[in-house]
Amino acid sequence: IAGITQAPTSQILAAGRRMTLRCTQDMRHNAMYWYRQDLGLGLRLIHYSNTAGTTGKGEVPDGYSVSRANTDDFPLTLASAVPSQTSVYFCASRVTSGGAQNEQFFGPGTRLTVL
Amino acid sequence: GQQVMQIPQYQHVQEGEDFTTYCNSSTTLSNIQWYKQRPGGHPVFLIQLVKSGEVKKQKRLTFQFGEAKKNSSLHITATQTTDVGTYFCAGPETSGSRLTFGEGTQLTVNP
Repeated sequence: IAGITQAPTSQILAAGRRMTLRCTQDMRHNAMYWYRQDLGLGLRLIHYSNTAGTTGKGEVPDGYSVSRANTDDFPLTLASAVPSQTSVYFCASRVTSGGAQNEQFFGPGTRLTVL
Repeated sequence: GQQVMQIPQYQHVQEGEDFTTYCNSSTTLSNIQWYKQRPGGHPVFLIQLVKSGEVKKQKRLTFQFGEAKKNSSLHITATQTTDVGTYFCAGPETSGSRLTFGEGTQLTVNP
């Protein structure tokens, strides 16, 4: 693995189904983020984690949950998908120590369609 | 909460023309970052500006941070088809752990 990977690449899901989007990074970044991208609305933060074992709510957290059991993985779960959750989901990470620049590194995204 | 706004939302130019996108924050920023997203791709970090009035250049791209650290601009000189994509600015929230992204400016370059 190099950088951030996301799975699946795309998914069509029936409304009401449970779905987990996976995100894994091998850069040992302590902070990780989940965004959704919708046309004309840019990138909106769903949940974030500053370090393993902690999570926080972003701008649009309703209907989503996350966990951060270790540094590398940050899965995003939709407990009961609804059509308004149709979007492209991006996972991102960044290092927050050692005076590093604040840039975030993004995964390739998951395109989710909820019917 | 903090808001970051970008204009224009869309910009269509002929190859060789210049392009500028503007970013405005509702709050003073400690820094501002710019990202580029190619069609079908993911956002990729371009640059970070930290100082009031800072200007940085990357080849044909010029980035500027306002004196009050509440606005920024990205100017591309003589656009090329490789410049096509959506350009986002982003500012950190007060805690510094999260970024607020602007809505982005989608640039189309006609050859």
